[in-house]
Amino acid sequence: KQEVTQIPAALSVPEGENLVLNCSFTDSAIYNLQWFRQDPGKGLTSLLLIQSSQREQTSGRLNASLDKSSGRSTLYIAASQPGDSATYLCAVSTGGFKTIFGAGTRLFVKA
Amino acid sequence: GAVVSQHPSRVICKSGTSVKIECRSLDFQATTMFWYRQFPKQSLMLMATSNEGSKATYEQGVEKDKFLINHASLTLSTLTVTSAHPEDSSFYICSARAKGGPGNTIYFGEGSWLTVV
Repeated sequence: KQEVTQIPAALSVPEGENLVLNCSFTDSAIYNLQWFRQDPGKGLTSLLLIQSSQREQTSGRLNASLDKSSGRSTLYIAASQPGDSATYLCAVSTGGFKTIFGAGTRLFVKA
Repeated sequence: GAVVSQHPSRVICKSGTSVKIECRSLDFQATTMFWYRQFPKQSLMLMATSNEGSKATYEQGVEKDKFLINHASLTLSTLTVTSAHPEDSSFYICSARAKGGPGNTIYFGEGSWLTVV
């Protein structure tokens, strides 16, 4: 059974710091991995999607990597800003195209 | 890019009433749609999988008579929470797999917040 774990569960950093969010999954047989952002009381925003054949994706200050064989992904946020404060969810698409989500990392960037 | 729209994004209903949430694929046909629920401070959990024109497949522990899912067309799936109770208050989100689309991409709606009072 696929399980997705995100570490840390919560993170507080000063503005401007570069940071890394970690995601691990137990079954390497995935179709893709996606990082989402969720603001309190709001919906999900897709940040980056990495197909199983890819190693990384970049969008602006965000970079996500995927090491399928070791069951790991990282989301790198450069030069963090207070507006980056949110919960970041990692999710893998598995057999039957079901998506398994991690519990998220709550990020707080202090001004 | 492909867009999945959910409506309403936020709804408040009275206990005992039913509420319907729609999930539409705006620029593609979705052979399969998925419904998820997020409990407070927890991860999103799959509730059911719906295929166009057939009955939904529910995950273990999800009450099919309470959470009615209809996938009447290739662009629309609906989730109806029947006889809603305060404990049904949650964040519900759908995703859709494109028919004939680029491999294994699933597109997510933005989600719907349900509050039952």
